[in-house]
Amino acid sequence: NAGVMQNPRHLVRRRGQEARLRCSPMKGHSHVYWYRQLPEEGLKFMVYLQKENIIDESGMPKERFSAEFPKEGPSILRIQQVVRGDSAAYFCASSLNAGIQETQYFGPGTRLLVL
Amino acid sequence: AQKVTQAQTEISVVEKEDVTLDCVYETRDTTYYLFWYKQPPSGELVFLIRRNSFDEQNEISGRYSWNFQKSTSSFNFTITASQVVDSAVYFCALSVSTGANSKLTFGKGITLSVRP
Repeated sequence: NAGVMQNPRHLVRRRGQEARLRCSPMKGHSHVYWYRQLPEEGLKFMVYLQKENIIDESGMPKERFSAEFPKEGPSILRIQQVVRGDSAAYFCASSLNAGIQETQYFGPGTRLLVL
Repeated sequence: AQKVTQAQTEISVVEKEDVTLDCVYETRDTTYYLFWYKQPPSGELVFLIRRNSFDEQNEISGRYSWNFQKSTSSFNFTITASQVVDSAVYFCALSVSTGANSKLTFGKGITLSVRP
């Protein structure tokens, strides 16, 4: 399966712990997007990365959240000192090229539960 | 600012009924793209269609059809002869040019339940 891969699919953390979410884009895709879906809500954009570069992080909370997309390996969304309000589904998407015409293909998501 | 409104939150139909899911968007850009995604109970998002702002032709794919009307800023989705497997949350999304970014703005989704 050459689709977008995300792991883990489910993650449980206690308040104050760190959460690391991984995303491997579709083969050949070098553009990665992270979105968050709160219960009963649509997806909200968080950050857009190309290999080794953050292009737009306008949707990221200013504190505790960070993202990277290294030259080798998956993209990582890192949440430090998690709080209950971070409980959500986090989706990664990838596209072949940049531009508004590009279709973003989504992974299965990581469901984060903060106890 | 961009906005996508899916006013219907939940729709329930009986199998074989036709159902239309509404999507209204707001943008000042003249060039934009519209998308529909399906989120079945398993949780993943499945791409259904992409349409650019310069192409107002309706599209049909099997039991699915889409009606794009710029005059009313709407991009509605119709499922003909619905089936139980169509039960899912359906999202409409908008992409406009924001520099180097092509982030999607999503509506809140419509939960469709198809009963046997």
